[in-house]
Amino acid sequence: ETGVTQTPRHLVMGMTNKKSLKCEQHLGHNAMYWYKQSAKKPLELMFVYSLEERVENNSVPSRFSPECPNSSHLFLHLHTLQPEDSALYLCASSQSSGTVNYGYTFGSGTRLTVV
Amino acid sequence: GEDVEQSLFLSVREGDSSVINCTYTDSSSTYLYWYKQEPGAGLQLLTYIFSNMDMKQDQRLTVLLNKKDKHLSLRIADTQTGDSAIYFCAEESRGRRALTFGSGTRLQVQP
Repeated sequence: ETGVTQTPRHLVMGMTNKKSLKCEQHLGHNAMYWYKQSAKKPLELMFVYSLEERVENNSVPSRFSPECPNSSHLFLHLHTLQPEDSALYLCASSQSSGTVNYGYTFGSGTRLTVV
Repeated sequence: GEDVEQSLFLSVREGDSSVINCTYTDSSSTYLYWYKQEPGAGLQLLTYIFSNMDMKQDQRLTVLLNKKDKHLSLRIADTQTGDSAIYFCAEESRGRRALTFGSGTRLQVQP
């Protein structure tokens, strides 16, 4: 496997469910990201992990909980979501060299629908 | 804060050149990127340019950077119907460890 892989591709969940999105990168990168893409809005950065440490949390509601167990894997745990959370969730990875990151590579995304 | 802007829509005829424009506000940008997104898919990296360069060419793609005006453009030569997609401009600023994206430009190629 190469690149950045996200599973599942599609997810439908009720507002009381708990689910997790998974991301895996095979590029040897040391930084990983979650972005949210809603209709007619720019991509919104949610979380940044660098060397498995969370370095940015962009005022994301606590019903979204990220986890980065190692530099190759990133999860987004979801619980008690709202219909407005329906969106495409994109994972990305990059190589950090201190102040500059490069080689940003995105997965195909998980299309989440909250009913 | 950072801000990246793009026009929303561009329509061209097959075989013509397409030029997609982007402006940004952060003067400490290091790398600037162009991504392509087809319906139902993630973001595909097309090309990128380092902030100390003026131009980069890669087959049918030409990126021009005017750092003084904070203007970036992507030119696609001999545009094909398969180029129809949304194109995103993104920039990374020195010290910020993530990309900031524009809203995307929808390119429609008419046969």
